[in-house]
Amino acid sequence: AQTVTQSQPEMSVQEAETVTLSCTYDTSESDYYLFWYKQPPSRQMILVIRQEAYKQQNATENRFSVNFQKAAKSFSLKISDSQLGDAAMYFCAYRSPSRDQFYFGTGTSLTVIP
Amino acid sequence: ETGVTQTPRHLVMGMTNKKSLKCEQHLGHNAMYWYKQSAKKPLELMFVYNFKEQTENNSVPSRFSPECPNSSHLFLHLHTLQPEDSALYLCASSQAVSNQETQYFGPGTRLLVL
Repeated sequence: AQTVTQSQPEMSVQEAETVTLSCTYDTSESDYYLFWYKQPPSRQMILVIRQEAYKQQNATENRFSVNFQKAAKSFSLKISDSQLGDAAMYFCAYRSPSRDQFYFGTGTSLTVIP
Repeated sequence: ETGVTQTPRHLVMGMTNKKSLKCEQHLGHNAMYWYKQSAKKPLELMFVYNFKEQTENNSVPSRFSPECPNSSHLFLHLHTLQPEDSALYLCASSQAVSNQETQYFGPGTRLLVL
């Protein structure tokens, strides 16, 4: 079964600085999708960024970018110019093409220090 | 607002009560999901419905009973729950046939079982 591991339960970053959240996964499939979700306190979980495994180019969405290392099964999220509104739980997720399921990590709680 | 709504937002119930959680999606998706979110644990997928048919039931106790009357509505019927069932219950929807489609989450129902 696929597993997703987020080894950093908590992270903090100074406002305007850059932070990287780690995610590794285990799979035997060659084609899949990876996602980062953000869940602010008491608010809905929303998609931050997604990556197709067949694409070598790292996905980028404004201040958010990923470092996708397929061979290492690593999918880290980089947040540049951190803002107070970035404070949230961040979940890494894997979508299997063979089963209509998403697998989530345990999350990383990000604190942004003014 | 992500187009997925859940009611109620908060629920307190005794172990002998019967209650139902409701989810509605306005995105035209054909797959809907129930997740259980507990502190410091990965999101636990409970049920998946594709085109109103249940496709996944991940060893969920029978005290949880899902119902999907159409592709826009999803219910989770609860009866004789245990205190360890207290958690945030998230509903999500997606377009099942496309693996690149992400899931869109509702705000969740915070359940407390006394």
